[in-house]
Amino acid sequence: QVQLVESGGGVVQPGRSLRLSCAASGFTFSTYAMHWVRQAPGKGLDWVALISYDGKVKYYADSVKGRFTVSRDNSNSTVYLQINTLRPEDAAVYYCARKYSYMDVWGKGTTVTVSS
Amino acid sequence: QSVLTQPPSVSAAPGQKVTISCSGSNFNIGNNYVSWYQQLPGTAPKLLIYENDKRPSGIPDRFSGSKSGTSATLGITGLQTGDEADYYCGTWDTSLSAAAVFGGGTKLTVL
Repeated sequence: QVQLVESGGGVVQPGRSLRLSCAASGFTFSTYAMHWVRQAPGKGLDWVALISYDGKVKYYADSVKGRFTVSRDNSNSTVYLQINTLRPEDAAVYYCARKYSYMDVWGKGTTVTVSS
Repeated sequence: QSVLTQPPSVSAAPGQKVTISCSGSNFNIGNNYVSWYQQLPGTAPKLLIYENDKRPSGIPDRFSGSKSGTSATLGITGLQTGDEADYYCGTWDTSLSAAAVFGGGTKLTVL
């Protein structure tokens, strides 16, 4: 079945870096754009980034531009989110989601905790 | 402050109908499709409505969506206790740079 599985979260000190992964299965990954969306504890959904099906087009939320980088490996059906210079406000559950104009499949999320 | 405005909470009794509004501008809802997501407690969001009024396979017809101008509405009829969740609207916004945006979310309580 169609599935997205995020990984790579954990407890990280402020200022450090982290790379999140999202492994896709059950569909032709290379034909779909992919999003990253985060949700801070007790807060709403916060869109982070989008990468086109071929990796050539990328969009970022203003709040993460310059610190976050989205990339993908279509040969391994995986999308990544590189987070640099972590800040306390980056603490959240990070979800990956499929498709461009709306998000039809979501993973269960991976939790990033920022703490010294 | 979210780009899209939703009421923080709505409530209704089982079996009743409820609507959730989502207000935006010509930079987002006015010129783009709207989608709606349901997030049950402790779970990931789930797509309920896409392209303003379409339901994915498996979503019951108790859920409906509509859009008019710069606002959109999610309707839920025949409320069930299992519908208690947070609901989010989403769309694209091109006011500054292209970005996906969500409403702040609406907590539905089925009394």
